[in-house]
Amino acid sequence: SQQGEEDPQALSIQEGENATMNCSYKTSINNLQWYRQNSGRGLVHLILIRSNEREKHSGRLRVTLDTSKKSSSLLITASRAADTASYFCATDAGTSYGKLTFGQGTILTVHP
Amino acid sequence: GAVVSQHPSWVICKSGTSVKIECRSLDFQATTMFWYRQFPKQSLMLMATSNEGSKATYEQGVEKDKFLINHASLTLSTLTVTSAHPEDSSFYICSARAGGPLHFGNGTRLTVT
Repeated sequence: SQQGEEDPQALSIQEGENATMNCSYKTSINNLQWYRQNSGRGLVHLILIRSNEREKHSGRLRVTLDTSKKSSSLLITASRAADTASYFCATDAGTSYGKLTFGQGTILTVHP
Repeated sequence: GAVVSQHPSWVICKSGTSVKIECRSLDFQATTMFWYRQFPKQSLMLMATSNEGSKATYEQGVEKDKFLINHASLTLSTLTVTSAHPEDSSFYICSARAGGPLHFGNGTRLTVT
């Protein structure tokens, strides 16, 4: 079963607004990653945050991690219609072969 | 960047037949590849971990005789859905690691009629 739970399940916003997605997990992790999936396609890696980091930025993306609450958030600033996709968090428990456990995902729709 | 190629991108087959899906790492070697299954609007469920030169490790509830995985080389893993049934219809995605984040294939849409 998936250990990650994401909310909201779906988010609809206007272009230019910020989008915030949350992810919670249950077990200890080595790192947490966020992926994007366009409809009917594979996943694209967005950003990785390690368990000893609290915040990370990459372009318009900002990720936070609170290991005490076992939660993470992904913020997309100044959203664009092209950001429309599903977003998944994935936790890495630190196994040697890199097995990831994915959250349920948030479907983001950005209206032009 | 690291590229994972998955083939075919979609396949329609009749109930009772077998379907093979290939996953190739094009510009890197992958000792480990992962196979996922995804239902519409749902998350990815890890089916199995494919290890080069050894048997795959299946997740609980995944039938190893139903979903045959072969990882014969450092750049190729295959998933064969044997005796497919309509309930096997799904989106199957593979991934591989190139020393950093996982890189995903574009998935295979399997429809069993």
